[in-house]
Amino acid sequence: AQSVSQHNHHVILSEAASLELGCNYSYGGTVNLFWYVQYPGQHLQLLLKYFSGDPLVKGIKGFEAEFIKSKFSFNLRKPSVQWSDTAEYFCALTPGTAGNKLTFGGGTRVLVKP
Amino acid sequence: GAGVSQSPSNKVTEKGKDVELRCDPISGHTALYWYRQSLGQGLEFLIYFQGNSAPDKSGLPSDRFSAERTGGSVSTLTIQRTQQEDSAVYLCASSFTGDRGFGYTFGSGTRLTVV
Repeated sequence: AQSVSQHNHHVILSEAASLELGCNYSYGGTVNLFWYVQYPGQHLQLLLKYFSGDPLVKGIKGFEAEFIKSKFSFNLRKPSVQWSDTAEYFCALTPGTAGNKLTFGGGTRVLVKP
Repeated sequence: GAGVSQSPSNKVTEKGKDVELRCDPISGHTALYWYRQSLGQGLEFLIYFQGNSAPDKSGLPSDRFSAERTGGSVSTLTIQRTQQEDSAVYLCASSFTGDRGFGYTFGSGTRLTVV
C-alpha cells in the first residue's frame, strides 16, 4: 500500500522568507503527485499536480514542486511567502494511471508572520 | 451544483447516538469520496464510490461506519453508536472517474463533536 509522509508538522516564518515543505512517498509503481492547501476556514484546494513530463511543476500563487523519482520526493517551494500563505499544506498521491483514491500526508501547518 | 455541499456543517452529539452526514457532489461527477480529518492526523481515507461499481470501503475504521450513495448522486455517511474518538471533520469530495485526482473538489466538511 502507498503512503505519504511530510517531515514538518509546523513551520513558522516571516514574510518574504523562502518556503520549502518536504514530502516523501512510498509506492512501487507510477504515481501522480499533488499538493493541496487549506486556508483557515476554507475547504481544500489544489495547488499543483504532477502526472508525467517535466518534474518541475508550477502551480497557483507562485508555488512550485519538484518530483525527484530517485528520492521518492515531491517537495513544495515558494521563493517569497506572504502573510496570506498561512495555511495547512497537504501532499498526496494517487497510484498508477487509473487510480483515483488520494492518499494524503499528515499535513504541514505554515504560519507566516507579517 | 456549483460545488460540493455538505450538511450539517457542525454536529454535536452524545456518545452512543447515531449520526448521519450528507454530501451533495457536483452534478455529473461520477466519483465520490469520504475522508476524515482529525487534529494532527491529516486526512484519512474512509470510502470511495465510483459510478455503479462496488464501493471501496477499505478505509472505514470499524463496522459502526457505513455509507451509501443513492442514485449515483447524494451520499450519506452513517456512524452508529458514536464514540469520542469519532470527533473529527468529515470531508466529502467528488470528481470525474479516471481523472487521476486532478479534478477533486472538496466540500467544507462536517465538524462532528461527540460529547
